[in-house]
Amino acid sequence: AQSVTQLGSHVSVSEGALVLLRCNYSSSVPPYLFWYVQYPNQGLQLLLKYTSAATLVKGINGFEAEFKKSETSFHLTKPSAHMSDAAEYFCAVSDGPGNQFYFGTGTSLTVIP
Amino acid sequence: NAGVTQTPKFRVLKTGQSMTLLCAQDMNHEYMYWYRQDPGMGLRLIHYSVGEGTTAKGEVPDGYNVSRLKKQNFLLGLESAAPSQTSVYFCASSSGLAGGNEQFFGPGTRLTVL
Repeated sequence: AQSVTQLGSHVSVSEGALVLLRCNYSSSVPPYLFWYVQYPNQGLQLLLKYTSAATLVKGINGFEAEFKKSETSFHLTKPSAHMSDAAEYFCAVSDGPGNQFYFGTGTSLTVIP
Repeated sequence: NAGVTQTPKFRVLKTGQSMTLLCAQDMNHEYMYWYRQDPGMGLRLIHYSVGEGTTAKGEVPDGYNVSRLKKQNFLLGLESAAPSQTSVYFCASSSGLAGGNEQFFGPGTRLTVL
């Protein structure tokens, strides 16, 4: 069975500082991995996805994530936080096209001015 | 192209009442999903469908039923609402094609059961 662990339910960073949101997965097969962002009272929006091509994936809004098979991790980073990055972030894993997604419990990012 | 839409956006029910949530997508996607989102628990899959006329149970199916009579629509029903079903419900769809199976989400329905 698939599962996702997001370490840290709340992360606070200063504006301009590095953002690092952690995601570890368990999967018996090479996975598809995703990061979604949810702004208050909205649905989820795809930030980026890993589908077995390049291990460093670039997404929207300056975010990127690196797939590390040896560490079973897919951490999300952004070099410089902006106030508009304040939101809830979800990591998800899927093991094939159209298959079920397994979401982490989410990390709430606060950006301090 | 509206993407995924959900109706209604908000609803308040009394215990024991029934209701249906409607999800519609205009992307010709084969796969559709219903999730519930509760604080500290992320999104949990209720039911999903891999094509018109098909449905399957997800992680938390009890107390819910679904139907997929048309490819573009996926309905979620609560026959007898309970306070434990107070949640935000999200619908999603996916093409299911290899390498392109991200899920596209609707804006959500906030349901309160009193």
